[in-house]
Amino acid sequence: AQSVAQPEDQVNVAEGNPLTVKCTYSVSGNPYLFWYVQYPNRGLQFLLKYITGDNLVKGSYGFEAEFNKSQTSFHLKKPSALVSDSALYFCAVRDGKKKTSYDKVIFGPGTSLSVIP
Amino acid sequence: ETGVTQTPRHLVMGMTNKKSLKCEQHLGHNAMYWYKQSAKKPLELMFVYNFKEQTENNSVPSRFSPECPNSSHLFLHLHTLQPEDSALYLCASSQWGDPQTYGYTFGSGTRLTVV
Repeated sequence: AQSVAQPEDQVNVAEGNPLTVKCTYSVSGNPYLFWYVQYPNRGLQFLLKYITGDNLVKGSYGFEAEFNKSQTSFHLKKPSALVSDSALYFCAVRDGKKKTSYDKVIFGPGTSLSVIP
Repeated sequence: ETGVTQTPRHLVMGMTNKKSLKCEQHLGHNAMYWYKQSAKKPLELMFVYNFKEQTENNSVPSRFSPECPNSSHLFLHLHTLQPEDSALYLCASSQWGDPQTYGYTFGSGTRLTVV
């Protein structure tokens, strides 16, 4: 069965410092991986995805993520954090092997990022 | 605007009321979803419609009733809700079939409070 883990409920980082939000996954086939961000009282916004190709994926707002197949990880990174990056971040995975009648994506529990001025 | 519009943004209803949540997408997507987001809980998938046909119902109580009249519109009809149904209800759409287009587009959600 496919699953996603985000081992940290909360990540605190000082403004200007690099940030990392961790994600590990489990699927039977090739993974399709996603990151979403949610600001208070808003829906989730798509940040980036890995489908195939280059392991380093660049997305919106200066974020990037690195697909590591051997470690089954897809950590989200940004070189220099902004206070406005403070939000809830969700990792998600879709199993590329499974044939489903819809886009079956499993979401992680979310990690709350606080960037301290 | 993401291309997925949800109305109303906020809704307060009594336990005996009947109300409906509306979702509309103008992205040409062929699948639409209802999710429930409660505090301190993971996102819960409620219903999935693919090409207007319901393909998933994750054991949702019958007091929640979905309707998908066409591929652009999705409703969630609510009746005799309980206080524990208070949550943020999110609608999403996606284009199923081509991996390069995978990824959900979410609406801003409806914050529902049951009193």
